[in-house]
Amino acid sequence: SQQGEEDPQALSIQEGENATMNCSYKTSINNLQWYRQNSGRGLVHLILIRSNEREKHSGRLRVTLDTSKKSSSLLITASRAADTASYFCATFQSGYSSASKIIFGSGTRLSIRP
Amino acid sequence: NAGVMQNPRHLVRRRGQEARLRCSPMKGHSHVYWYRQLPEEGLKFMVYLQKENIIDESGMPKERFSAEFPKEGPSILRIQQVVRGDSAAYFCASSLRLAGDYNEQFFGPGTRLTVL
Repeated sequence: SQQGEEDPQALSIQEGENATMNCSYKTSINNLQWYRQNSGRGLVHLILIRSNEREKHSGRLRVTLDTSKKSSSLLITASRAADTASYFCATFQSGYSSASKIIFGSGTRLSIRP
Repeated sequence: NAGVMQNPRHLVRRRGQEARLRCSPMKGHSHVYWYRQLPEEGLKFMVYLQKENIIDESGMPKERFSAEFPKEGPSILRIQQVVRGDSAAYFCASSLRLAGDYNEQFFGPGTRLTVL
């Protein structure tokens, strides 16, 4: 089964508003990442937060991590039309045999209305 | 420095034909990963390869699917006797090295396979 599950599955907001997406995961992690995928395109790595970090910022992005609840959130402030995309959380587990895998959630489809 | 290259970008096959998907990693990257994405879903890991070696193929279907990463040339994901359920986007990623910790994987644009 998927490691990460995003909530909501779809989100539509007005340009300029903030968008918040949540992710829950099941097992212990070393880090958690967020990716963006524009329609019909590949994935772009947005931000990585390590298990010993609680919050991280990158430009208009803010990511939080609560390892006790096994959850993370991605906040996009002052949204723009170009932010319209699907957003995936993903986890990476260390250990030789599994270190190769990034486990993706099912994604949140974000639409920004002009 | 070119990114991860995948070709073809779109591939149409009839049921029973073979599909060959190619991936050229970023320059200097010796680790390649293949993922499959069904419509409206996230990416699912299929296989991890280093040059001439399959390291982890736990996500690969047991039949009809194979992958290779030869010493020279691109990595190939091969699907024999395709069925409609194989229709999906197939993404390749590459990384610089594996060092027991996270190494960012850089993704290609994907190959969209349609089986008629």
